[in-house]
Amino acid sequence: DIVMTQTPLSLSVTPGQPASISCKSSQSLLHSDGKTYLYWYLQKPGQSPQLLIYEVSSRFSGVPDRFSGSGSGTDFTLKISRVEAEDVGVYYCMQGIHLPFTFGPGTKVDIK
Amino acid sequence: QVQLVQSGAEVKKPGASVKVSCKASGYTFTSYGISWVRQAPGQGLEWMGWISAYNGNTNYAQKLQGRVTMTTDTSTSTAYMELRSLRSDDTAVYYCARVLLTQPTFDYWGQGTLVTVSS
Repeated sequence: DIVMTQTPLSLSVTPGQPASISCKSSQSLLHSDGKTYLYWYLQKPGQSPQLLIYEVSSRFSGVPDRFSGSGSGTDFTLKISRVEAEDVGVYYCMQGIHLPFTFGPGTKVDIK
Repeated sequence: QVQLVQSGAEVKKPGASVKVSCKASGYTFTSYGISWVRQAPGQGLEWMGWISAYNGNTNYAQKLQGRVTMTTDTSTSTAYMELRSLRSDDTAVYYCARVLLTQPTFDYWGQGTLVTVSS
């Protein structure tokens, strides 16, 4: 199985400041179709996960543009340009190239 | 709007089975698949498998092979996940999520169903 790792595992951010989460996969997520199947999800406290980013850098409908994804191969990053109070929760990366699809351990983001 | 509404919480004894439903609305059910993801208390997300609502094809996580069955009823736009021979470590919140047929984008999620396995 592909192992997904995330750093840091927790992050405390002052509102208005940027935040960055790293995600690494044990194998390349670049598919032969040219797409890279790396996703970012946010699970807010007491809620279901919600899709933020698909295929490394595409924002899902309704996701604020302060969220951005980047990376290639095995190294990926989620950036929040200016953290807001509503961004608290656990962020998960997920690979969708090899079965079983696997998630990272999650990065808990809270507000200072 | 797209909605996935799951069935209510369940309490089961070890060795029993549970069947969780996920009723979809707001889109053409057979144009997507449904994936199931579970989350043990205080833990991360674990992908369990998925089913195409278009043709019923399934893929299951190998660790659950033989214990899990995913089905759909296209007449009611409902997906089901049955887990058998329950153990205490199956205690988790089970989520369904809509998934594109062509790629594993889980774009809308149900509210989750807590399954508790306890003697």
